[in-house]
Amino acid sequence: DQQVKQNSPSLSVQEGRISILNCDYTNSMFDYFLWYKKYPAEGPTFLISISSIKDKNEDGRFTVFLNKSAKHLSLHIVPSQPGDSAVYFCAASPSNDYKLSFGAGTTVTVRA
Amino acid sequence: DTGVSQNPRHKITKRGQNVTFRCDPISEHNRLYWYRQTLGQGPEFLTYFQNEAQLEKSRLLSDRFSAERPKGSFSTLEIQRTEQGDSAMYLCASSSKTGPVPSEQYFGPGTRLTVT
Repeated sequence: DQQVKQNSPSLSVQEGRISILNCDYTNSMFDYFLWYKKYPAEGPTFLISISSIKDKNEDGRFTVFLNKSAKHLSLHIVPSQPGDSAVYFCAASPSNDYKLSFGAGTTVTVRA
Repeated sequence: DTGVSQNPRHKITKRGQNVTFRCDPISEHNRLYWYRQTLGQGPEFLTYFQNEAQLEKSRLLSDRFSAERPKGSFSTLEIQRTEQGDSAMYLCASSSKTGPVPSEQYFGPGTRLTVT
């Protein structure tokens, strides 16, 4: 049972424009959410997180939005850069737990 | 800070053989996790250690799998009598003891296992 879903397997965006990645979850116990970025032949790299007490968290070019009622979160990257081309994973866990549940990932390609 | 390291990076083995992977976490991290990732999927949780204590094992971890973390430092993941379905990327992650539970986990580069 896939509790975290990333329904778009791929996204292509022009350099300088905004990338929007979406993630839906089904487990109402999830209240801590993270985004990871993964390059080929490397492990996932932590990008940004948000807890359920917030609806937005920003770190430089990366902003995560959380809509608890819709069980939906999104990652905005602006402006997109060629180095942002990678696979992005959404992950979630309950606050009293430690294991992360991951989505299947979205492959982002930033075109010059 | 040298990050999380994993060895070997690649392992090819024949079905029925045993394999062992090693993970060295970030030195001050007391929590260590193992995940498995197959093609087109995100990482799936396998097991978790706090110091040397293994606190949870996923149902994905059959009795052919065993993990240890002696002295709360490095960890090993052993797979006995490998099957072709064990072919995957095995990822190790660690997190800080000073962080909240949960806290961001830092991943190693993974060990890619191919069972022929």
